[in-house]
Amino acid sequence: DTGVSQNPRHKITKRGQNVTFRCDPISEHNRLYWYRQTLGQGPEFLTYFQNEAQLEKSRLLSDRFSAERPKGSFSTLEIQRTEQGDSAMYLCASSLGTGRTGELFFGEGSRLTVL
Amino acid sequence: AQSVTQPDIHITVSEGASLELRCNYSYGATPYLFWYVQSPGQGLQLLLKYFSGDTLVQGIKGFEAEFKRSQSSFNLRKPSVHWSDAAEYFCAVGAGAAGNKLTFGGGTRVLVKP
Repeated sequence: DTGVSQNPRHKITKRGQNVTFRCDPISEHNRLYWYRQTLGQGPEFLTYFQNEAQLEKSRLLSDRFSAERPKGSFSTLEIQRTEQGDSAMYLCASSLGTGRTGELFFGEGSRLTVL
Repeated sequence: AQSVTQPDIHITVSEGASLELRCNYSYGATPYLFWYVQSPGQGLQLLLKYFSGDTLVQGIKGFEAEFKRSQSSFNLRKPSVHWSDAAEYFCAVGAGAAGNKLTFGGGTRVLVKP
């Protein structure tokens, strides 16, 4: 399968712990996006990369959140000192191109539950 | 800032009946519009997209959508619904000076009665 892969699919953690999610995009895609989706809501944009450069971050991305894409391939999203409000599905997507028309391909998401 | 409104949170439709899902957007420039479907436990799958040209766009799984600039709408339709169409549907607008960052609506959950 050459789609977008996310790990782990599910993570249960206690409040205050750190968690890290990994996203492996489609191999030739230069853009990578992170979204957060809470129950009953649409996905909300968090951040995106073009190659290894992080070009935009949402105000939703507090200083407890950090995302990297060190070699322009896979990406990690780390949440430090998790809070119950961080419980959500974290979606990764990738696309090819430099314009606005590239289709986003989404992974199946990583579901975080903070107890 | 751009925004998307999907007025219907839930829609129940009988199998074989037609379906229309509403989407209204707010965006200052020419919008790039998308419809995605999300089945339980699955990622988002693109159904169709509008960038320019013909305002009636055809997508996968027999879906179509019509862009109406005057109404700021991009409604999704299917003439005859199958049980496998039960899912959540999201409308989105593409924005941003660079990149195709999407802003999503809140979604419409479709239930299909036998």
